[in-house]
Amino acid sequence: GEDVEQSLFLSVREGDSSVINCTYTDSSSTYLYWYKQEPGAGLQLLTYIFSNMDMKQDQRLTVLLNKKDKHLSLRIADTQTGDSAIYFCAEKGQNQGGKLIFGQGTELSVKP
Amino acid sequence: NAGVTQTPKFQVLKTGQSMTLQCAQDMNHEYMSWYRQDPGMGLRLIHYSVGAGITDQGEVPNGYNVSRSTTEDFPLRLLSAAPSQTSVYFCASRTGGVGEKLFFGSGTQLSVL
Repeated sequence: GEDVEQSLFLSVREGDSSVINCTYTDSSSTYLYWYKQEPGAGLQLLTYIFSNMDMKQDQRLTVLLNKKDKHLSLRIADTQTGDSAIYFCAEKGQNQGGKLIFGQGTELSVKP
Repeated sequence: NAGVTQTPKFQVLKTGQSMTLQCAQDMNHEYMSWYRQDPGMGLRLIHYSVGAGITDQGEVPNGYNVSRSTTEDFPLRLLSAAPSQTSVYFCASRTGGVGEKLFFGSGTQLSVL
């Protein structure tokens, strides 16, 4: 079946790099996504990657995709306190209109 | 730009009551969906629609109804609220083309007593 797994918590110091990891099961996914959720708000798309890409960089964000291991990661360089949030990994599934299948979310805590 | 607008932001219901969560988008997206978010479970799809007049069930549809009479609106109805429906509900609409990005509303926090 389709499943996405993430670790639940990550704590880093301000200025360090953060790496949030995700594994997924559906090898036929065309897109993989990272969303950010701040307290009391909806999910905001951070970035996405085509399944035929290995890496995508967007300012402080770097996404790495290892299709063989079905592993996706999000690296945030120079992490700031404003980056504290819950980060969701998602893959585009094959059923139900191409629904997004979300991981449980990783809560990133950035300490000054 | 309004994007995806959900109302209300908060709601408390008693068991057995019914209510409608409203969702509207102004981006002319064909695809709209409803998710519920529960602690430790990520987001789960309740219902979705690929266009006006077309709706279908997601992975947790029981106890919920939807309709799509216009491209803009996609209301979610709770027919007889139960405590198990206490959750945060998100409406989302999706672009077509490259990336097929999903845009979310700000959510409705629902408590059923």
